[in-house]
Order: sequence, then C-alpha cells, then structure tokens
Amino acid sequence: EAQVTQNPRYLITVTGKKLTVTCSQNMNHEYMSWYRQDPGLGLRQIYYSMNVEVTDKGDVPEGYKVSRKEKRNFPLILESPSPNQTSLYFCASRRIPGNTEAFFGQGTRLTVV
Amino acid sequence: DQQVKQNSPSLSVQEGRISILNCDYTNSMFDYFLWYKKYPAEGPTFLISISSIKDKNEDGRFTVFLNKSAKHLSLHIVPSQPGDSAVYFCAASVNFGNEKLTFGTGTRLTIIP
Repeated sequence: EAQVTQNPRYLITVTGKKLTVTCSQNMNHEYMSWYRQDPGLGLRQIYYSMNVEVTDKGDVPEGYKVSRKEKRNFPLILESPSPNQTSLYFCASRRIPGNTEAFFGQGTRLTVV
Repeated sequence: DQQVKQNSPSLSVQEGRISILNCDYTNSMFDYFLWYKKYPAEGPTFLISISSIKDKNEDGRFTVFLNKSAKHLSLHIVPSQPGDSAVYFCAASVNFGNEKLTFGTGTRLTIIP
C-alpha cells in the first residue's frame, strides 16, 4: 500500500529538548515536504526536498532542520523546541512537482511546554 | 500575504443538496489547483485537481470549476452525503521546478442529515 508514515503521532516535550519527527514514504517519490497546520493559517510549508541531499526552505523554516540522506526518509529536527512550535505537523511526498497530487502522512501533534 | 484564500470558515448543507466551496487566489503564476479533504486526526487526502488549461474537471460527485480571469475556483459536491463532513483545503502550485503547495485556510463542511 502506498503511504507516507510519520512517527510519533503524538509528542509532548519540554522547551529546549531536541527532538526528531520521522517521515518515510514507500512510493519512490523524489519530492518531500514538511508542513505545519495551525488554526486559521491553513498548512504552511516548513522545508522541502527535491532529491537526496537537496533541501530548501519553505515559508516558515525558523527553528527547524531537515535532512535527506535516503530517498525514502525525510526527518524533521527541532534542535531547541519552543512553545510556538506547538502545532500539527504533516509530511508529504510527490512524484514530481507541478501537476501531481501530494500524499500526506497522518500527522504528528507536537506540544512544547 | 495569503495567496490562497478560503473566505468561508464553515458551511452547513442539507444531505442530498449541493455543497459549493469557494477559493480565491492572488498569484497569477499558479497553474495547478487541488482540493484536499481532511478528517480529524488524519492527514489531508487528495480529492480532485484542475490544470489552468481547463475550466472544469469532474470526478463522480465532485466537480471543480476554475475561473482564471477572476482567480477563483470552486468545488461542487452533489449530492452531499454525511461522509462528506470534513475540512476542505484548496491548494495551488506552479508547474515546473517548484516543490511547493500553497494552501488556503480551509472550510469546515457539515452535512446535516
């Protein structure tokens, strides 16, 4: 089954404690992205990757890092989480940009206290 | 700067009637538009899309209309069913080389039995 898998689904952490949210896709897609969803703001892109070792900033990259060492995996790293990073995070993958749909993971609800 | 706008945060429609969800955009470079449906505690799932070379695309009960001159698109669901109750996001992208989906803020559709 084609899917994007995120882990964990839920996470509560304390300010400043480094964390990683994993994302893996089994569709051999070139393109992967991270989004955050906040009330009244829709989904906003954090970072994206167009291939292994190729990443770039989205609209809201501050406080986040990513890496793309393998095609299937695209982890999101918060080196020093802060309460304003409390949000619902989604990983997505697309075969090619432009005229194709993105497939989303089930989301990770992160709370930073 | 919200480039994709969904001005109705919520919409209630009687079961069996037509649901019309609207979306406006400001960036004339957008040439591919998508609708996603999101249930609570799940990731967005792709519903239907339309390229800027078309003004209508139909898939079963779902039809998307695009009015490029007005920079407006709409999603029609007919007949509406209780399972259609969800949050609907419109999204837009630029073809070729740009791995980014720009999302609207979403419209919560409630189908009344």
